[in-house]
Amino acid sequence: QSVLTQPPSASGSVGQSVTISCTGSSSDIGGGYDFVSWYQQHPGKAPTLLIFDVNKRPFGVPDRFSGSKSGNTASLTVSGLQADDEADYYCAAYGDTDNLEVFGGGTKLTVL
Amino acid sequence: VQLEQSGPEVREPGESLKISCKASGYTFTHSWIGWVRQVPGKGLEWVAVVDPHSSDVIYSPSFQGQVTISAEWAIATAFLQWSHVRSSDTAVYYCARPSRGLFHGLDIWGQGTLVTVSS
Repeated sequence: QSVLTQPPSASGSVGQSVTISCTGSSSDIGGGYDFVSWYQQHPGKAPTLLIFDVNKRPFGVPDRFSGSKSGNTASLTVSGLQADDEADYYCAAYGDTDNLEVFGGGTKLTVL
Repeated sequence: VQLEQSGPEVREPGESLKISCKASGYTFTHSWIGWVRQVPGKGLEWVAVVDPHSSDVIYSPSFQGQVTISAEWAIATAFLQWSHVRSSDTAVYYCARPSRGLFHGLDIWGQGTLVTVSS
């Protein structure tokens, strides 16, 4: 059972924007640490890092992907949806209970 | 920079197992390296992470005592091992590296090692 809660599914049409939420607690997302990451995983592939430190993008990740945090909830927004954005998305955050990151359960994004 | 993992493994319950992750393109002792599990059709789970320089390790409570993580800096390789595998260990195991520092995102991933435990 994941400590971080994500909606199991999300969808949007090509060109639209979609936001995926990730809800934790005061021990992780809301704990004053800016250690929130987001990953994209296509079927049969290893995950790739989209966002780190809440809202930073690694080199090469399009600015269509953005992250934010408010209270115990982090969010990933994908703007200008493209067909290739159809994938599973996972959030992760540092949790001081176990001194390790925890993952969310994942959200399957469908591009209509 | 890449992480090359060992090939798929098949074991019977109770057998031992050790999988590997060879790093290249960077100084192995300069960053932590960890393992993430993904049961088929399920989400990602942190297993453990090790600092190859100090040998410090952090285990997820769910895996503490079930697996052992290690790293050999001389061959730039991290390992994950089981003394006695169980059917519930069947999963893909990814090694991954947080190049910006622990908890700042896993930006380098191996290709995954499929472990199948079945009698």
